[in-house]
Amino acid sequence: TQLLEQSPQFLSIQEGENLTVYCNSSSVFSSLQWYRQEPGEGPVLLVTVVTGGEVKKLKRLTFQFGDARKDSSLHITAAQPGDTGLYLCAGSALYNTDKLIFGTGTRLQVFP
Amino acid sequence: NAGVMQNPRHLVRRRGQEARLRCSPMKGHSHVYWYRQLPEEGLKFMVYLQKENIIDESGMPKERFSAEFPKEGPSILRIQQVVRGDSAAYFCASSPRSGRADTQYFGPGTRLTVL
Repeated sequence: TQLLEQSPQFLSIQEGENLTVYCNSSSVFSSLQWYRQEPGEGPVLLVTVVTGGEVKKLKRLTFQFGDARKDSSLHITAAQPGDTGLYLCAGSALYNTDKLIFGTGTRLQVFP
Repeated sequence: NAGVMQNPRHLVRRRGQEARLRCSPMKGHSHVYWYRQLPEEGLKFMVYLQKENIIDESGMPKERFSAEFPKEGPSILRIQQVVRGDSAAYFCASSPRSGRADTQYFGPGTRLTVL
């Protein structure tokens, strides 16, 4: 069974601070996605990373896929209150690319 | 959430009743996925369907749960004789093609509460 562990589980920071969320597994994934979920809504896709070592930037968000495609990180620079939400990583398994395996989630709270 | 429709958004049922959750995929999408999210947890895959076919139901509980995606109309997730442990948010995602999990777009979810 493939599992994705996210850390930290909860994060409360002040506006302007930087943060990093980690997504780790002992298994290899064909691709990895990061989602943000607002209360009462479904997950919204932020980015997909496919190649080992790949780095993608989305404004203040930087996503990295590990060289071995077993882990990923999300770094937010100068966090803003609008970044508050639940961040989920999700991997697409090598043997079954239709099924997303979700991480445990990181709940981020950014205070003004 | 990119046009995937789910209804109802909130559903309250008493123990022993049936719950029917509907999902209309995005226009042009013929692949539907159902996921369940317990409070403060990530989403767990339940079932993957194409029109009139169940492709992968490895995440579905063996009893009381069933899913369909008929030729016409929305996909339905049915839970018979609900129990309190079924209380969760159920999300549907749709995709225009298979083999590409990064093309799944999620609906807003149905929050099921079992009293």
